[in-house]
Amino acid sequence: EVVLTQSPGSLSFSVGERATLSCRASQRISSSYIAWYQHKPGQPPRLLIYGAFERATGVPDRFSGDASETQTLFTLSIDRLEPEDFAVYYCQQFGTSHGFWTFGQGTKVEIK
Amino acid sequence: EVQLVQSGAEVKKPGESLKISCQGSGFNFANFWIAWVRQRPGRGLEWMGMIYVDDSETKYSPSFEDHVTISADKDLATAQLHWVSLKASDTAIYYCARHCTRSDCDDPGFDHWGRGTLVTVSS
Repeated sequence: EVVLTQSPGSLSFSVGERATLSCRASQRISSSYIAWYQHKPGQPPRLLIYGAFERATGVPDRFSGDASETQTLFTLSIDRLEPEDFAVYYCQQFGTSHGFWTFGQGTKVEIK
Repeated sequence: EVQLVQSGAEVKKPGESLKISCQGSGFNFANFWIAWVRQRPGRGLEWMGMIYVDDSETKYSPSFEDHVTISADKDLATAQLHWVSLKASDTAIYYCARHCTRSDCDDPGFDHWGRGTLVTVSS
């Protein structure tokens, strides 16, 4: 079973800064099966990125996803942080060997 | 407009049974996988399992498969999450979400979510 590790658990930034969040997989994963979600208190999670790189409909282009050549490190970058971007971000993967989904532990992006 | 409407908050005692629901509208509910995701207080998201509504094929996370049952009624466009015997550790918000594939949607993934059902289990 692939384990996704998001570390650290929280990061602090000022409005306008660039945030880069990481999600490390315990083994190689196809980028097709990596997604990122934004979760704010009192709201349901929101799909941001699918297929490691593709923005979901309506997601600002300040958000971008990337993957390492080894397909074990996935990143979510947020350019020019705005106040509404402060939330918890989760990576998610689909395990083709076992047929189910798992989430990383999440990274909370806080205002400095 | 795609919507997933979840049933209201519940307060239960340990050992009691419970069924919560998720009703879809604005799309062909039967032709999609509907997932359930747990968020315990102060914790992250956990994928519990999902069901393909049309034929009720289910997939479960090993962490949940012995404790919950996922079912669906395509005529009522409703998916349900059922406990026979609740524990205090089941206290959480439970979200349902639609899973889309590339062949079905522009945004493959869990693209629409219900607003969550808060379940509190306390003696």
